[in-house]
Amino acid sequence: NAGVTQTPKFRVLKTGQSMTLLCAQDMNHEYMYWYRQDPGMGLRLIHYSVGEGTTAKGEVPDGYNVSRLKKQNFLLGLESAAPSQTSVYFCASSYKGAQHFGDGTRLSIL
Amino acid sequence: GNSVTQMEGPVTLSEEAFLTINCTYTATGYPSLFWYVQYPGEGLQLLLKATKADDKGSNKGFEATYRKETTSFHLEKGSVQVSDSAVYFCARGGDAGGTSYGKLTFGQGTILTVHP
Repeated sequence: NAGVTQTPKFRVLKTGQSMTLLCAQDMNHEYMYWYRQDPGMGLRLIHYSVGEGTTAKGEVPDGYNVSRLKKQNFLLGLESAAPSQTSVYFCASSYKGAQHFGDGTRLSIL
Repeated sequence: GNSVTQMEGPVTLSEEAFLTINCTYTATGYPSLFWYVQYPGEGLQLLLKATKADDKGSNKGFEATYRKETTSFHLEKGSVQVSDSAVYFCARGGDAGGTSYGKLTFGQGTILTVHP
């Protein structure tokens, strides 16, 4: 009963490096989301997808790109990491109901 | 736009004390309302929800009532346990009948610590 799986769980990058965060869900949900969580600010939506092949910007999309090539996967990319992107990143999925979350990726940019 | 305002924390209680965490939302329609809980090192888990006015969501001894007249969805528990120590998030969905695609707007979270 995996639900939403995020990889990796931890990562340290240097400024300017790139990386991709992976999210996979096995609940056949149409909608998927990427959030970042920062102290005192709750969760802020970065990008979301309403189906395979579609993506849309959320509240804080700058510096990130996403892709949804397969229904079960939603990838978040950082092309040139910046210290301001140090955060905990959460992926979630849903379909007309509550969102289901992964356990997060803790990302530090030095 | 949509927003959610939560009671600022942290909240520190003794075991068996009564808990209230206040939450209010902007009222542009009839959104679904949620409480999520986050334990250390984990993702958010749905605690309870309500989808229309006067609905009461409940789970694990926690309750919250959808109050349209006060645009509130306060979380309560009659007797907290040490194991309830976590971060609690209030969230609102889009307006009923709208095309929000399941997006949620979260409050900033309230840290709860329960001491034995």
